[in-house]
Amino acid sequence: DAGVIQSPRHEVTEMGQEVTLRCKPISGHNSLFWYRQTMMRGLELLIYFNNNVPIDDSGMPEDRFSAKMPNASFSTLKIQPSEPRDSAVYFCASSTRTSGGAGDTQYFGPGTRLTVL
Amino acid sequence: KNQVEQSPQSLIILEGKNCTLQCNYTVSPFSNLRWYKQDTGRGPVSLTIMTFSENTKSNGRYTATLDADTKQSSLHITASQLSDSASYICVVSPGGATNKLIFGTGTLLAVQP
Repeated sequence: DAGVIQSPRHEVTEMGQEVTLRCKPISGHNSLFWYRQTMMRGLELLIYFNNNVPIDDSGMPEDRFSAKMPNASFSTLKIQPSEPRDSAVYFCASSTRTSGGAGDTQYFGPGTRLTVL
Repeated sequence: KNQVEQSPQSLIILEGKNCTLQCNYTVSPFSNLRWYKQDTGRGPVSLTIMTFSENTKSNGRYTATLDADTKQSSLHITASQLSDSASYICVVSPGGATNKLIFGTGTLLAVQP
């Protein structure tokens, strides 16, 4: 079975440019999460979706960040305009959300390493 | 404030030795606690998950313990191998209406030959 697929794996861009990160969750999973990881702050949840609907975007740092999930098999995280402090590894994860609210195991993609010059 | 703290920050051990990583949390309410292993350049992978009523859970050479009263967990690695070199992240789920997780900053383990 294919795991969570992310693209690109590496992205180098210049400050001010738009960056779009892509994620394909595991088939059948109905929850999708976007995380950012840095050495200083570790893993931070940016936003998550249940059944394609954004549930909690309180971790999105600024209006420059936006995420969409147009269907159950695809999500994007966009940064516009990008800044050097956005440099990090961005992970997408998916899980099956059970009734009752207890989160199930999240399966992480390989991440996108973003460098903004 | 919901927090997950891990210790030590980093650890170096010799191949074949055992080690124990610690996790203290102040998350409330509490639903479950996970340990993830993250190899360099890869995404985290779940090792164990324990609910409130579980005290210990094993996955091969990995054994996790949970004391819900003191809000502490440990991950014990037996007979370490070079492939155990990774970051180990403790993750707590408050449960309820959210499946948002609270992450620790991890313990970086290096196993040397």
